[in-house]
Amino acid sequence: AQKITQTQPGMFVQEKEAVTLDCTYDTSDQSYGLFWYKQPSSGEMIFLIYQGSYDEQNATEGRYSLNFQKARKSANLVISASQLGDSAMYFCAMALGNFNKFYFGSGTKLNVKP
Amino acid sequence: NAGVTQTPKFQVLKTGQSMTLQCAQDMNHNSMYWYRQDPGMGLRLIYYSASEGTTDKGEVPNGYNVSRLNKREFSLRLESAAPSQTSVYFCASTRGQSSYEQYFGPGTRLTVT
Repeated sequence: AQKITQTQPGMFVQEKEAVTLDCTYDTSDQSYGLFWYKQPSSGEMIFLIYQGSYDEQNATEGRYSLNFQKARKSANLVISASQLGDSAMYFCAMALGNFNKFYFGSGTKLNVKP
Repeated sequence: NAGVTQTPKFQVLKTGQSMTLQCAQDMNHNSMYWYRQDPGMGLRLIYYSASEGTTDKGEVPNGYNVSRLNKREFSLRLESAAPSQTSVYFCASTRGQSSYEQYFGPGTRLTVT
């Protein structure tokens, strides 16, 4: 069963604008973690942001924020003031099983236009 | 501080051949992971090791074996390679103990013909 769903295969955003990348998840566990990773065309995986299921505040890391809506089981990534270097694949992931089993979504390809 | 290193970077195998992918981390992390990434898809967990001396199956373990040689090293073995195992393989590690950010290696691109 799909545990992480990213419904936007590709998105465009104008430079300096904000963009939201969608992620929904499915679990009956009470304790879990939600992550976003960036994968540039060079192929490496870069950690962006983490949200724990018990965290009441939305996580923020610089220009990245995670809009966590527990009841809706969504964990959307918001990138503010997009830059050309933000063009990449973005993956949402969830950690279960005492944070040992990670499940990734299929990704969203973001293109930032000048 | 090299982080997570993987060898080799590229490999071509014939169907039925075997090989071992090596992974090492120098961050004193407790947990290590092996993933595969097929074209246009996200990563899928093959095996993980929550601590030295333990290994467990992930989402797609069939056709693979692993060894946690020590705290630093976690290897992935393909005993009899099949074309369906053509993929990019990533190794990752986390400190664990409430720090779950995964650090990834650069990946190994494997082609099985």
